[in-house]
Formats: sequence, C-alpha cells, structure tokens
Amino acid sequence: KNEVEQSPQNLTAQEGEFITINCSYSVGISALHWLQQHPGGGIVSLFMLSSGKKKHGRLIATINIQEKHSSLHITASHPRDSAVYICAVTRSQGNLIFGKGTKLSVKP
Amino acid sequence: EAQVTQNPRYLITVTGKKLTVTCSQNMNHEYMSWYRQDPGLGLRQIYYSMNVEVTDKGDVPEGYKVSRKEKRNFPLILESPSPNQTSLYFCASSVRGQYYNEQFFGPGTRLTVL
Repeated sequence: KNEVEQSPQNLTAQEGEFITINCSYSVGISALHWLQQHPGGGIVSLFMLSSGKKKHGRLIATINIQEKHSSLHITASHPRDSAVYICAVTRSQGNLIFGKGTKLSVKP
Repeated sequence: EAQVTQNPRYLITVTGKKLTVTCSQNMNHEYMSWYRQDPGLGLRQIYYSMNVEVTDKGDVPEGYKVSRKEKRNFPLILESPSPNQTSLYFCASSVRGQYYNEQFFGPGTRLTVL
C-alpha cells in the first residue's frame, strides 16, 4: 500500500463545476504539499500546509491532521485548470513522499 | 528573477558513460532535492540536502551520487548510467523553515540512456 494515496486518479469536469481531489497518508508528517503539473511538464507548488486551511484565488486546500487527510478544492473550474495535481508529504527527517497524481481535465 | 535552473534540459547518452546534471538556485535556499518522475510511478525522491555538506538518501538513491559543496549548487551524478535510469528529473529547493516551506522546482531534465 502506498504511503500517500490520491483519489480520483482521473477526473473530467465541465467548466464551472466545483472539483475536489483527495489525499490520504499513513505516515507522520511535518507538512503536506499540493503541486500542479501542466502538460508541458513544469511543476508548481500550489500550497504547503501543516494545519487548517489555505485559500488562493479559486483554490482551497484543507488538512485534517487527526484523520491524515487533505483535500484540494477548485471552485468555478476552467479549462486552464486542466493539469495533474500531486499531493506530497514531508517527513520529519526532511524527505518527501508523493502521491501518484490526479489528472484533471476541464471541458469548456 | 528567483529560479531553479537545470542543465542540460535534454540528454541522450549510452550505458556506462558518466554524466552530471547540474542544478543551481539563486534564492539562498538551504534545502535542495532531486526527484525522478516515471509513468505509473509518479515522482520519487533520489537525494536531498538540508544544507552545505549535508546530504541524505531519498527513496531511490541507487545508481546516483550528489554533492553539496556550495549552497546554490546541487549536482546529480550518474557514474555508470543504465537504461533503467531513463527518466524525467527535477531539482527543487526551499527555505528550510520550521515546517519546511514550499518547494521551487526546476524545469526538468529528460534523460535517455541507450
């Protein structure tokens, strides 16, 4: 079993829909990251969380430390949001473990 | 401009020919790391460095070497590349704060070993 599990693996949405991507982990962590990778390959950090909730524009990330679970929400989705979204956790030693990613496609 | 640079961006080589992929950051970050990305396996950490002269193994260190002699540079060395090291490689850096801050990624290096 992977230490970081994401769901769903693939997600297709219509423009304007509310989207949720989930991440569960089974190890102790110092922080959790949400990353975005566009088809061109570059990786951008969206959020780094150690507790609670963060918001940036139409993106919201939450984490529940007790349940070892995080969600990434996208409100009013747009075709430019189409990308792979990756959850990663930082262990206390400083190493990172990644989920396998969620491929999101938003149709106009 | 704050950035992480990697060179080369693309490389095709042959089995056994030593190579180095360079990584440099201009943000004075303490933490630097190397990852490889493979279809179906996602991103996996190769090595990371908390600061100058401090390096640690990630999940898949076999066949790789790193060094951190200066804060800004963190080269990845493949002493004897093999075809199973064909992959997309990313370098990243971050400020090593109390909770490890967000990672800044380089553009990636696509390596093919024949």
